[in-house]
Amino acid sequence: EVQLVESGGGLVQPGGSLRLSCAASGFTFSNYWMHWVRQVPGKGLVWISRIKGDGISTNYADSVKGRFTISRDNAKNTLYLQMNSLRAEDTAVYYCARDYGNSISDDWGQGTPVTVSS
Amino acid sequence: QSALTQPASVSGSPGQSITISCTGTSSDVGGYTLVSWYQQHPDKTPKLLIYDVSNRPPGVSNRFSGSKSGNTASLTISGLQAEDEADYYCASYRSNSILVFGGGTKLTVL
Repeated sequence: EVQLVESGGGLVQPGGSLRLSCAASGFTFSNYWMHWVRQVPGKGLVWISRIKGDGISTNYADSVKGRFTISRDNAKNTLYLQMNSLRAEDTAVYYCARDYGNSISDDWGQGTPVTVSS
Repeated sequence: QSALTQPASVSGSPGQSITISCTGTSSDVGGYTLVSWYQQHPDKTPKLLIYDVSNRPPGVSNRFSGSKSGNTASLTISGLQAEDEADYYCASYRSNSILVFGGGTKLTVL
């Protein structure tokens, strides 16, 4: 069974940093692109970033480019999102999800909430 | 970057068919066959319904179908059922390899 478990969210002041983690199990982690998606409760989905299975290729939404960094440790089956220079508008629940070809599969974590506020 | 454009809400009666549109540009929806559709029930994570414009993953009902014309993609749900009431999102890759979602459409089954 595929499992994705995020952690690392919390309350941070504007301008601060957080590092999210996503522990994966139940599949060969290194074979898959992985995504980060965020959602403000009651609002729409917003794609943040993705990373190729070997960790070499990454892509970012314009809204986070230069502030967020996606990475992975295939030996630990873990995906990361380093978030710097956080803004109030980054407040959301952050999900990691497994890729499905040119889309995102049904395999999502439970989400970790991030609140940026003073 | 701006999201793809979806109607905020649609509605239909059980047994009817409804269509949800998703409008982008030639740099995303119109330029590639990389449109996907997702269903999200309240307090649940999204479920992939359609990928690559019109393909269904294993286990997805054939009541869900996808198509594209120009810069607009469409999701059609036939034989509407009460459990179809949910939020629906389209997504497409853009020319710079980023993924963008639509704003979401709330489907109400009357």
